[in-house]
Amino acid sequence: AQSVTQLGSHVSVSEGALVLLRCNYSSSVPPYLFWYVQYPNQGLQLLLKYTSAATLVKGINGFEAEFKKSETSFHLTKPSAHMSDAAEYFCAVSGAGGTSYGKLTFGQGTILTVHP
Amino acid sequence: DTAVSQTPKYLVTQMGNDKSIKCEQNLGHDTMYWYKQDSKKFLKIMFSYNNKELIINETVPNRFSPKSPDKAHLNLHINSLELGDSAVYFCASSQDRVLDYQETQYFGPGTRLLVL
Repeated sequence: AQSVTQLGSHVSVSEGALVLLRCNYSSSVPPYLFWYVQYPNQGLQLLLKYTSAATLVKGINGFEAEFKKSETSFHLTKPSAHMSDAAEYFCAVSGAGGTSYGKLTFGQGTILTVHP
Repeated sequence: DTAVSQTPKYLVTQMGNDKSIKCEQNLGHDTMYWYKQDSKKFLKIMFSYNNKELIINETVPNRFSPKSPDKAHLNLHINSLELGDSAVYFCASSQDRVLDYQETQYFGPGTRLLVL
């Protein structure tokens, strides 16, 4: 079984400030972790993914995330927020075994607001 | 040159009607998915097909029937629509079934279904 918890349904930051979106996961098999972004009235777009190659993963638009097994976390960060980063962000987990195979389980989403 | 497309984009219908949503991908992917995003933005997988074969079938009412005429298409037919079916339905695809657990899923723009 697998699950994802995103802490904070809404995060608000100033333009130029650090962005930190939190994600904790639970998985009975080695996890593969993803961050997707959804802009208003659009589908989801992959930001980055962790597939066990490196614990610090760099994605598009200046985002990165670090896999911490001891903390079961995969938090998303960006050093300096831009107005165009305003969107909803989803953390997701997939697994290579059992009933988790090939199935993405999403967190509840975090809405990021960036104000001038 | 849209990668994953869905039609229609919006669908408003009465309770009890039957409706279909179409999905097509031109990425040459082997696996396609249907997700439901409810009013709280929670995304949950419904079905997954690989080369026209059903792989994942979550606990979805029998009124929902996916149909895959070929590996580039996965349509969703819904019988006897209910108020609770109102949601955004996303189609997605990924490349390789064997490595599906770490493959990026590419999402369509979504179909916003409103049942009155």
